[in-house]
Amino acid sequence: DTGVSQDPRHKITKRGQNVTFRCDPISEHNRLYWYRQTLGQGPEFLTYFQNEAQLEKSRLLSDRFSAERPKGSFSTLEIQRTEQGDSAMYLCASSPNLGGVYEQYFGPGTRLTVT
Amino acid sequence: KQEVTQIPAALSVPEGENLVLNCSFTDSAIYNLQWFRQDPGKGLTSLLLIQSSQREQTSGRLNASLDKSSGRSTLYIAASQPGDSATYLCAVRRINDYKLSFGAGTTVTVRA
Repeated sequence: DTGVSQDPRHKITKRGQNVTFRCDPISEHNRLYWYRQTLGQGPEFLTYFQNEAQLEKSRLLSDRFSAERPKGSFSTLEIQRTEQGDSAMYLCASSPNLGGVYEQYFGPGTRLTVT
Repeated sequence: KQEVTQIPAALSVPEGENLVLNCSFTDSAIYNLQWFRQDPGKGLTSLLLIQSSQREQTSGRLNASLDKSSGRSTLYIAASQPGDSATYLCAVRRINDYKLSFGAGTTVTVRA
């Protein structure tokens, strides 16, 4: 069990560019979540998947954001036409289904800076 | 909507002192509550998870209590050490929901 991994760890991009982040959950965890965290705040929910199905999206997830989880394994989060307000830490988490508990385990995050 | 509040926002104590961190939430219809630790610029490490049917959970020097009816949880860290310096976040999961709602965290500094 190697934990949740995220790639890249840091991304600097210019406003208007597209970026894509990857998350590899703990193996056999069927649920995967994306959160966004800005400085001094707690993480805010963006979206989550059960296997390959995207079951919920936050209103924070504008049309410029899209997430996928093909084949129910790794997930990608894409941001199109980035804006300075997109600068944040993007966190991925996964959870197993153990008696309905769904304890979430987080990855190290991807720090996005939009210049 | 679930609102989660953590007070104080920051705390500084001398080494060896016990830490008491507070978390309150507005909707008592929760399934469970998790406490996390976050080091600067890093991801979250799960410390304790308390089910709504439990009153407390313990792991080493950490003890978390839950009073669901009053919407409160407290994290106790005994005999603090400089290595305990970090931000501590609480998060609640509502019944029939899967996402976590987080507080803004309490940043702890333990002075040697």
